[in-house]
Amino acid sequence: QSALTQPASVSGSPGQSITISCTGSSSDIGSHNLVSWYQHHPDKPPRLLVYEVSKRTSGVSNRFSGSKSGNTASLTISGLQAGDESDYYCCSYTGTFRVFGGGTKLTVL
Amino acid sequence: QLQLQESGPGLVKPSETLSLTCSVSGGPFTSRTFYWGWIRQPPGKGLEWIGTIYYGGSSYYNPSLKGRVTISVDTSKSQFSLKLASVTAADTAVYYCAGRIDPPKDFDFWGQGTRVTVSP
Repeated sequence: QSALTQPASVSGSPGQSITISCTGSSSDIGSHNLVSWYQHHPDKPPRLLVYEVSKRTSGVSNRFSGSKSGNTASLTISGLQAGDESDYYCCSYTGTFRVFGGGTKLTVL
Repeated sequence: QLQLQESGPGLVKPSETLSLTCSVSGGPFTSRTFYWGWIRQPPGKGLEWIGTIYYGGSSYYNPSLKGRVTISVDTSKSQFSLKLASVTAADTAVYYCAGRIDPPKDFDFWGQGTRVTVSP
């Protein structure tokens, strides 16, 4: 099974909004609502931001929001801040299988 | 606060078996709703799922690892382990252990990661 497809990089200025897409297939993203998003700073462990497509983990700012349409999930970050600069990964997971996206590097200009 | 910590050799020779252990502290280890897993990140690449083990011992692995993976649990020690056989340079990566403690969330607790290099 191939990795989910994410843009390699996105960028935005402080205060702006950006959206990171995550495209899979009818076998993964398109078949269930088990999609999570992780933020991964270098030399730190990944941090769960969103699970079940759109539910935020406690402590995660409401500037982060997840959604899904068909075979594509999306993570939108509004009101960009310098501290949001990081790598972001989507993940489609079921009880027996999971696959990560290739990762997107967010640069805050 | 639950804490996870990976341990194991940082250098493994090609064709040998990579063995890592994840020790869990600061909270419960066994519950019907918990699951534990291993994820890795090769240098310059993205995250790759290795496998997941559930309460009761059922486990599932990334098919791309072609039967080289075994994940097991030792509840008496609050640990779970990874064995990856017949390693090659392509298995060089930072290996993370992770746990899902609070359903219906996904992996909500992670170890700091341990770097494993496969080299003669």
